Amino acid sequence: GAGVSQSPRYKVTKRGQDVALRCDPISGHVSLYWYRQALGQGPEFLTYFNYEAQQDKSGLPNDRFSAERPEGSISTLTIQRTEQRDSAMYRCASSLGREGGSGNTIYFGEGSWLTVV
Amino acid sequence: RKEVEQDPGPFNVPEGATVAFNCTYSNSASQSFFWYRQDCRKEPKLLMSVYSSGNEDGRFTAQLNRASQYISLLIRDSKLSDSATYLCVVNSPTSGTYKYIFGTGTRLKVLA
Repeated sequence: GAGVSQSPRYKVTKRGQDVALRCDPISGHVSLYWYRQALGQGPEFLTYFNYEAQQDKSGLPNDRFSAERPEGSISTLTIQRTEQRDSAMYRCASSLGREGGSGNTIYFGEGSWLTVV
Repeated sequence: RKEVEQDPGPFNVPEGATVAFNCTYSNSASQSFFWYRQDCRKEPKLLMSVYSSGNEDGRFTAQLNRASQYISLLIRDSKLSDSATYLCVVNSPTSGTYKYIFGTGTRLKVLA
């Protein structure tokens, strides 16, 4: 597609359930990023991939969070045993080149709003 | 100390005013710098990259000061449509890789 596509756009889940958030990056983009954004805050880094390799997962809050990008394109962020504090906007972004390149613009999707009740 | 720090504002300025935002970063090995704009309930979008020599795009001017580890954004002749949150973004090395670190954002409201 033309832009980064995320689904679902809105998800309400009960505490304790698992959720999977999907990201389809811009075609041909090598790098894919996951961020979490709380209201009034900037995006907080979670993890990123170059192709299918997870380069950095230092931002994942705990072991309930995981991400994969098995074929180097679509990525899934999974949250197991959700808790209310997981409620936030989860944003995916992609860039054409590999991490670290100057002028390497990252493009965001519209995000997935997760509410845990 | 946060890796990237911004004054959250809000900055309320009249139309036509000039306004400037600063952003400081802690990692001296940071490689590239950007300003993103985020409208309410929308995704962040690139406003401009920040180059070492400074750069201008219409009413917007970005500066980088590596010695003091800050970047700035100047908006001249503010328009109502400039009202948004401006996010400072730094590409920083960490644990052998690089990642894009966002500041909290500075809210700007341009008043008629």
